[in-house]
Amino acid sequence: GENVEQHPSTLSVQEGDSAVIKCTYSDSASNYFPWYKQELGKGPQLIIDIRSNVGEKKDQRIAVTLNKTAKHFSLHITETQPEDSAVYFCAASRGGSTLGRLYFGRGTQLTVWP
Amino acid sequence: DAGVIQSPRHEVTEMGQEVTLRCKPISGHNSLFWYRQTMMRGLELLIYFNNNVPIDDSGMPEDRFSAKMPNASFSTLKIQPSEPRDSAVYFCASSLQGGRETQYFGPGTRLLVL
Repeated sequence: GENVEQHPSTLSVQEGDSAVIKCTYSDSASNYFPWYKQELGKGPQLIIDIRSNVGEKKDQRIAVTLNKTAKHFSLHITETQPEDSAVYFCAASRGGSTLGRLYFGRGTQLTVWP
Repeated sequence: DAGVIQSPRHEVTEMGQEVTLRCKPISGHNSLFWYRQTMMRGLELLIYFNNNVPIDDSGMPEDRFSAKMPNASFSTLKIQPSEPRDSAVYFCASSLQGGRETQYFGPGTRLLVL
């Protein structure tokens, strides 16, 4: 099956700085890559996703890039704010089937210091 | 929409007791997922259903765990007998189309087995 690796496991940045989280995947057939944010005491919530037919997607301060050749994708958060502090998970899924599942990375604990 | 509903939110039980976790997916979603989250193992997929049919239960730890989905609006995860190592947060998630679309997570059930 798919194997998704995520780095770093913890990340501390100063408010206003940028944060980058990287993931690699093993299954070349994967073509859907979502990112989830989990705040303390809550379930993960989707913040952005990308499909393999695009290389980059932006939504205000967050962006995701995908390199299918290298099989890696990254989350970029600019102008970080304390409320960005949370655990972030990347995931990958194989397309072509409605029965597919998401394979999650281990998560990155992001702390933004004011 | 009310989102994914899970009950109970917290459960404290003694080793050997039966535990039943409940989930109501978002109306109209045809895929339902049960996850377990621990510090040691991260977010693990236990089982998922598509159109009420179990598709992949390879993540179910052992025979003590069982899951059912008798209809499109209700699912249960049962642990019998429970053990201290089952202590974790259990999440239910639902989506429109398996792993290729956004999964919406419930708030989770925090289980503590003494």
